[in-house]
Amino acid sequence: QVKLVESGGGVVQPGRSLRLSCATSGFSFSSYGMHWVRQAPGKGLEWVASIWFDGSRKYYADSVKGRFTISRDNSRKTMYLQTNSPRVEDTAVYYCVRGVGIGDYWGQGTLVTVSS
Amino acid sequence: EIVLTQSPGTLSLSPGERATLSCRASQNITNDFLAWYQHKPGQAPWLLMFGASSRATGIPDRFSGSGSGTDFTLTISRLEPADFAVYYCQQYGSSQITFGPGTKVDIK
Repeated sequence: QVKLVESGGGVVQPGRSLRLSCATSGFSFSSYGMHWVRQAPGKGLEWVASIWFDGSRKYYADSVKGRFTISRDNSRKTMYLQTNSPRVEDTAVYYCVRGVGIGDYWGQGTLVTVSS
Repeated sequence: EIVLTQSPGTLSLSPGERATLSCRASQNITNDFLAWYQHKPGQAPWLLMFGASSRATGIPDRFSGSGSGTDFTLTISRLEPADFAVYYCQQYGSSQITFGPGTKVDIK
């Protein structure tokens, strides 16, 4: 069955980098676009970034553009989110989602806390 | 960026009642690329509807979606205990995906 497992979350100081990973199984990873969605404590869902099936196109929310980088390794069936210069307001549960538009499978999320 | 507005913010209903949730977009959504998700605390969101009115795999027919352009509706015909949750609409007609703020359906 389809599985998406996020890792790499934790406590990070403002301005320090953190890389999130999403390991996948149960489907042809290289055929699907993927994206990241986050939920800050007590808030709603916020789309973060998307990447096409072959990595050729990437899109970012204005709130993270220039600071976060989405990437993928199709040979490892894994997607990544490099969070550079994180801010306190980036504190959230980060979900890995299959699909560029419709998110038909979601991981359980990894918590990132940005705090000094 | 397409801004989505959901109403009401909270809907208090009893099991067996009908729930009607609204999602309005600040501009036309291309091809009616509008999805609905159910989200419960501590769980991953769950896709209910896509393309405004198509049910995702395994979603019971008490859930239905309608609308086009800028106005969309999710209807739950008879609420069951498992349906009390937060519901989000999402547009994916633009490369800049956006979510609405959510409607919480709680038990009256």
